This record gives sequence, structure tokens and C-alpha cells, in this order.
Amino acid sequence: NAGVMQNPRHLVRRRGQEARLRCSPMKGHSHVYWYRQLPEEGLKFMVYLQKENIIDESGMPKERFSAEFPKEGPSILRIQQVVRGDSAAYFCASSPNPGTFTGELFFGEGSRLTVL
Amino acid sequence: AQRVTQPEKLLSVFKGAPVELKCNYSYSGSPELFWYVQYSRQRLQLLLRHISRESIKGFTADLNKGETSFHLKKPFAQEEDSAMYYCALGNNAGNMLTFGGGTRLMVKP
Repeated sequence: NAGVMQNPRHLVRRRGQEARLRCSPMKGHSHVYWYRQLPEEGLKFMVYLQKENIIDESGMPKERFSAEFPKEGPSILRIQQVVRGDSAAYFCASSPNPGTFTGELFFGEGSRLTVL
Repeated sequence: AQRVTQPEKLLSVFKGAPVELKCNYSYSGSPELFWYVQYSRQRLQLLLRHISRESIKGFTADLNKGETSFHLKKPFAQEEDSAMYYCALGNNAGNMLTFGGGTRLMVKP
């Protein structure tokens, strides 16, 4: 089991461009979480998704940010018209069905976005 | 609203000294608390959960509802304990974790 896979590991964008970050959950996991870590800060919850459904997006900025987890393929976090303040590490985690959630989230290695 | 506070960003101790990483939480429901650890160049991973009442790598944590705390303790720190430690609070729906800001533990030889 390869674990949670995120790509790209590093992404550099100029202000105004779009950033797309991908996350493939662990095999057998149907739930994906995105967290953001700003420099010198902790992990901040952004969004929680299951296949084709957003469960909780209370941590997502109101504009420019969107997330999806299609029936086929990885979950994607999309940031439009990036600004310097979007520079951060974005972590994806997955879990099995919440009915069996034990509090253990399995994390990817993160995608580090740098906005020039 | 749920909140997790780790007051120390950095904790530096000598090898063999006791360690206590502080965590306080705010939650109206029945809390489920966890400690996660991230070693250098590794993924964030679960260290222990309060419900298990377990000791992992010599670390223990006791949930104190009166003080709303879940401090992580180890009687004798080792150099390999140097890492970033995050306290996390699970919600009652059992589908989300709120993390604290993290504490970097440095154990000096």
C-alpha cells in the first residue's frame, strides 16, 4: 500500500496563475481531508470530501479556492489567481468510512506551493 | 467551536530530562484527543489517542476534563524524540480533526 500520494511535491506559480494540487487516498479509503500549513503556523483544516460530495468546507476561503473528489481519479485542490499569501504547505489525509473512524488520519507528504 | 492550543512553539531539553508538551482544548461535546508526530523528512503520523490509554515510545497523555488539557509526557527524553508534535481534537461526528499549532521538541545530547 503506497499510502496517501500527493503531487506535485513542489509547485511554483506567479501571482494570478492557477495552482492544482492532487491527492490520491490510501487504497480502500473513501474520505479525503485537505489541511493548509502556513509558515510558522499549525495545520488548518480546509475541506473534507468523500467521492463526489463535499462534506465540510468550513475551512475553505470563500473565494478562489475549490476542491473536488470525483468518482474516478484523485482529489484536487484548486487555487485560482494565486497570491503570495497562498504560499504554504498543503497536506492531504485520508480515512476509511467514518463509521469506523478511530481518529487516525493517514497523511501525504504535502505539496509546497510557492507564489512569486 | 472547537479549538486546540499548544502554547509552546519550541521546547528544548537535554537527553534524559523529563518532557511535557502542553495541550489545551475547547469543545462543548465529549472530547476525543490525539497526539500526532512528524519526524524530520517523514509524514505526520498518529502517536497516541486518549481513549486507548496507551504508552507509545515512552510517551503518555492523560485527558484532564477539569482543566481541559491533554499534555504529552515522557520521563526521560531521547534524541530520537526530536520532532514536531501536534495535539488534535476529534469532533463528535467522528469525521474531523482540529489540530493545534504544534510544538517543536528538540532533545539535545
